[in-house]
Formats: sequence, structure tokens, C-alpha cells
Amino acid sequence: QPALTQPASVSGSPGQSITIPCTGTSSDVGGYNYVSWYQQHPGKAPKLMIYDVNNRPSGVSTRFSGSKSGNTASLTISGLQVEDEADYYCNSYGGSRPLVFGTGTKVTVL
Amino acid sequence: EGQVVESGGGLVQPGGSLILSCAASGFTFNTYAINWVRQGPGKGLEWVSGITGSGASTYYADSVKGRFIISRDNSKNTVSLQMNSLRVEDTAVYYCAKERSSTSRGAFDIWGQGTMVTVSS
Repeated sequence: QPALTQPASVSGSPGQSITIPCTGTSSDVGGYNYVSWYQQHPGKAPKLMIYDVNNRPSGVSTRFSGSKSGNTASLTISGLQVEDEADYYCNSYGGSRPLVFGTGTKVTVL
Repeated sequence: EGQVVESGGGLVQPGGSLILSCAASGFTFNTYAINWVRQGPGKGLEWVSGITGSGASTYYADSVKGRFIISRDNSKNTVSLQMNSLRVEDTAVYYCAKERSSTSRGAFDIWGQGTMVTVSS
């Protein structure tokens, strides 16, 4: 089950906005509105940040937003803060291929 | 809010077996799907297996299909992952994760702290 494609790293300065793409196929990202995003700090369990493409769980900052166009989903972090430095993973439902995660992106705050 | 706690990890030889457990509390257990997600040393997240709230349906990644078996006991609020024919590449931290709702897929809102499985001779 090939993983969804994410850039290995993205960086930005405090206060800036960054966008992390997550590219799949018409069988997963493009075919369903079931894309989630997770934040993971070193040595910690992942934390759900976005679900169903663009929904935020209660308690997640409004600085995090999700979107999708065709076979690519995106996570945007606005007003970048030092505590946003972490690894970020997308995942998508894929029908007969139940679930696949992205390759992961390391976000660095310069 | 709820929580899940994994146990059962350890060191096992290639070809061996291990059973992981996930104990849940603080939510209506039989309403929610539970999944296992693993992360190899220095690697990304990999979905392993999932089971619906009733236990009627189970799902597996191709990499573990035929070797791992997921099950649940709703009377004890637990999910188990029976891992057979273990390979070196199964070495990872294994996380138990609760699905957010029956209408979502892959939206895991509660995660455990993980349990380490090491497959080595």
C-alpha cells in the first residue's frame, strides 16, 4: 500500500503561513472526503488536528485549516508559532484499501 | 474525554508471536471502531488494522494480512492484536487509537502512549 506523498520538510518564520500538501490518487484522497491530519512531537503520540478534509476537533487552534483539490489535500498553518514545530502526517480512506498515511513532513520554525 | 492504554510489547524472535492489548475507559466502548497504528524507529506512521465497534468487521494492511488478527471484547472494553510470524520489519511502537465517530474514516481522536515491539534474534 503506497503511502501518500508529502514533502520531507517545510519551514517558516514565526507569524508566517505554511502549507503542507498531501498527494494521493483518485482511489483515496480524490475519491473520498476522509482526509485527516496529525501533529506529532518527538516521543509523543500523534494528535488529531483536522478530520474529514476541513474539520477541526474541539480544542485545536483555528490557525490550522485543511482543504482538498483533486487528488491533493493540504494543511495550512497560519501565524506560525514555535510550538508548531513537529512532524505532520496526513491519512486518507481508500475504499478497498482501508487507510493509508502520508510519508510525513517535518515543520521547522526558523 | 476517555483514554486507551496499550500493553504487551516486548522482545520476540523472528517467526515468533506476541499479543498486544488495548484497554479503554471513559467512553461508550462498543460504539467506536478501534485501530492499531505503528511507527518503526525513525520512520513514519503506518496503519496496521482496525475493528468496528460491534466487532463484526475487521480490516488489515497488506503488510500484516494473514499474520495478524484483531479482536475485541466489549464486555471488558479491550481490543487485542494477535501478531504471528513476526518479522524484523514489524519492529515498531504500536499505538491503539479510537475512531472519532462512525461517520468518519481515519480520524483518530484518542491515542495511547504506545507499546514497543522488537523483533530480533
